[in-house]
Amino acid sequence: DQQVKQNSPSLSVQEGRISILNCDYTNSMFDYFLWYKKYPAEGPTFLISISSIKDKNEDGRFTVFLNKSAKHLSLHIVPSQPGDSAVYFCAALLLAGANNLFFGTGTRLTVIP
Amino acid sequence: GAGVSQSPSNKVTEKGKDVELRCDPISGHTALYWYRQSLGQGLEFLIYFQGNSAPDKSGLPSDRFSAERTGGSVSTLTIQRTQQEDSAVYLCASSLFPGQNTQYFGPGTRLTVL
Repeated sequence: DQQVKQNSPSLSVQEGRISILNCDYTNSMFDYFLWYKKYPAEGPTFLISISSIKDKNEDGRFTVFLNKSAKHLSLHIVPSQPGDSAVYFCAALLLAGANNLFFGTGTRLTVIP
Repeated sequence: GAGVSQSPSNKVTEKGKDVELRCDPISGHTALYWYRQSLGQGLEFLIYFQGNSAPDKSGLPSDRFSAERTGGSVSTLTIQRTQQEDSAVYLCASSLFPGQNTQYFGPGTRLTVL
C-alpha cells in the first residue's frame, strides 16, 4: 500500500534549466512533506520540507509546492546544476505513530552539462 | 563523529548465515529508525526505537529479523538464516525526538546474500 508515489522513475534536464520532480500522496492527514536527495553509496540527505498548512517553501535554488486539494507536491530546482544529479525521494510525515515517515520510490535526476 | 554511522559498509554473506548490522546514531538523538532499500524499490520502513524500546515491530519483514538498542544509543539489526531476497541497502536514521520533522541518515550497509 504505497501512500506516497513518485510516478517518474527518471528525469533528464539540461544544465541551467528547471527540474520539476513530482510526488503524489493518498493520506490527507500527513503533517509535513520532505524531500531527500541520495547519491550512490550514501544515505539520503534532507533537502527541504513543507508544512501541510503551507503551499510553498523556498530555499535557494529549491522550491517545494504543495497542492492539498490534489494531494500533490513538487520540487523545483532552478537553475539545475550537474551536481544535482542524484535520486530524489519524496516523504510524508505523520506526527503521531511509530511508522511515521512514508517514502516514495524515488526519481533519478540527471542534469546534463 | 557528528553524523549517523553504520557498520559494516558492505557485507557479503552466504545464504543461511546470520548477519548483524550496527548503527551509531547522532549523540543525544532519542529516536532511531531502520529502513531497507532493495534494488529499484523505495525506502521500506522496518522498525523504530524510542529510547531503547520499539513500540511497533510489525514492519520487520519476517521473524528472521530482530533489532535491539541499548543505552539509548547503538542499535543492531540482526538477520538470521539470510535469504537472497534480504539483499538490500539497510539504512539507519536518527532524530532528536520521535516524530521530529527531519531524520538524519547514515551511509547504509549494503548486504549481499549469495
